[in-house]
Amino acid sequence: DAKTTQPNSMESNEEEPVHLPCNHSTISGTDYIHWYRQLPSQGPEYVIHGLTSNVNNRMASLAIAEDRKSSTLILHRATLRDAAVYYCILRDVASGTYKYIFGTGTRLKVLA
Amino acid sequence: NAGVMQNPRHLVRRRGQEARLRCSPMKGHSHVYWYRQLPEEGLKFMVYLQKENIIDESGMPKERFSAEFPKEGPSILRIQQVVRGDSAAYFCASSPVEGRPSTNEKLFFGSGTQLSVL
Repeated sequence: DAKTTQPNSMESNEEEPVHLPCNHSTISGTDYIHWYRQLPSQGPEYVIHGLTSNVNNRMASLAIAEDRKSSTLILHRATLRDAAVYYCILRDVASGTYKYIFGTGTRLKVLA
Repeated sequence: NAGVMQNPRHLVRRRGQEARLRCSPMKGHSHVYWYRQLPEEGLKFMVYLQKENIIDESGMPKERFSAEFPKEGPSILRIQQVVRGDSAAYFCASSPVEGRPSTNEKLFFGSGTQLSVL
């Protein structure tokens, strides 16, 4: 299975930036790095994904290390609505089926 | 364009009964995933289906669980003779795969079905 490692939990103050790290040392050259988040009592939702270059969208930014063995999801100004579990995911290319394997994620707590 | 629709939202069954969970993917999506989530845990992959075809069922328990995605109609996750340990949230997701899958595709999730076994 594709492997990613994330801290179990993080805290941030409201309106401050948050940097959520992820290690994926076994990543291959063609694997995209995906981030999803799960708000309480909801299904996961897509946040962002990228291959090599840093990526930006209206929700967040994704900074990818030059060797691609790690990445960081950046929320520029955390709000209380950003409190969620954030999952960093690689698709399971080795199995040949490309299924998405979710880890335990990082639970982000935002303090008012 | 409606999102991924799952029903029912909540399902209560007694031990030994059957549970049928339905998932209608987004329009134009031909690939469906099912995940199970226990309280305070991450999502566990169960099965990955294409229309009329099971691509990967490596996460499905060998007994009592089955899944299908017929040519017409929703994908169904069926659990026979439910036990208390089957109580969980079951999430369905779809993706717009055209031809061979790549790692560039996004998943779109439904709101889940909360199964409670009494």
